[in-house]
Amino acid sequence: GAVVSQHPSWVICKSGTSVKIECRSLDFQATTMFWYRQFPKQSLMLMATSNEGSKATYEQGVEKDKFLINHASLTLSTLTVTSAHPEDSSFYICSALPPGQGNNEQFFGPGTRLTVL
Amino acid sequence: GDSVTQMEGPVTLSEEAFLTINCTYTATGYPSLFWYVQYPGEGLQLLLKATKADDKGSNKGFEATYRKETTSFHLEKGSVQVSDSAVYFCALKGQGAQKLVFGQGTRLTINP
Repeated sequence: GAVVSQHPSWVICKSGTSVKIECRSLDFQATTMFWYRQFPKQSLMLMATSNEGSKATYEQGVEKDKFLINHASLTLSTLTVTSAHPEDSSFYICSALPPGQGNNEQFFGPGTRLTVL
Repeated sequence: GDSVTQMEGPVTLSEEAFLTINCTYTATGYPSLFWYVQYPGEGLQLLLKATKADDKGSNKGFEATYRKETTSFHLEKGSVQVSDSAVYFCALKGQGAQKLVFGQGTRLTINP
């Protein structure tokens, strides 16, 4: 089946530093990937939609200059949290959508837990 | 905008009990509906889905029927197992849309 990986699985960083999280589709090409944020015991909130070769589309309230998304290839999207602060600590999850009209299913990565000290 | 409301958890049941997790939605047109499961320490996995009214999605003994008249997609299982302990998310994708809208999740714990 379709597999999506994320790296790293967890990261601890100091306040003010930047952290990059990678999302890879291992056995399929994904023209569209999604980045979500999940707070403890809460639902997933979509942050942005990442399209290969074009700028990401951010959801309302998400700072595009703070959460930089790059989708440079059909199998890789990266999320960079710039100048991280403790309030950015969260579980970040990506998903990938295989191409094809009418394809409904997104495949999710295992998530990356970010802790900002 | 589109939204999904799930029954609040946590839900704790004994093994072999009957499970229902309620899910209702608000959306225009004809959305697709999904149930995802998140096991401890893992990412979300698609459990089942339904793409049109009256469709029944089923997998691993779980079922959910797309009820447009009640805008619901309740998850059911006749006899739960300890291994079903996880967080369950109801979600929808609007007609013609790519992105998913999730409910708040329901944590399910099954005791032996």
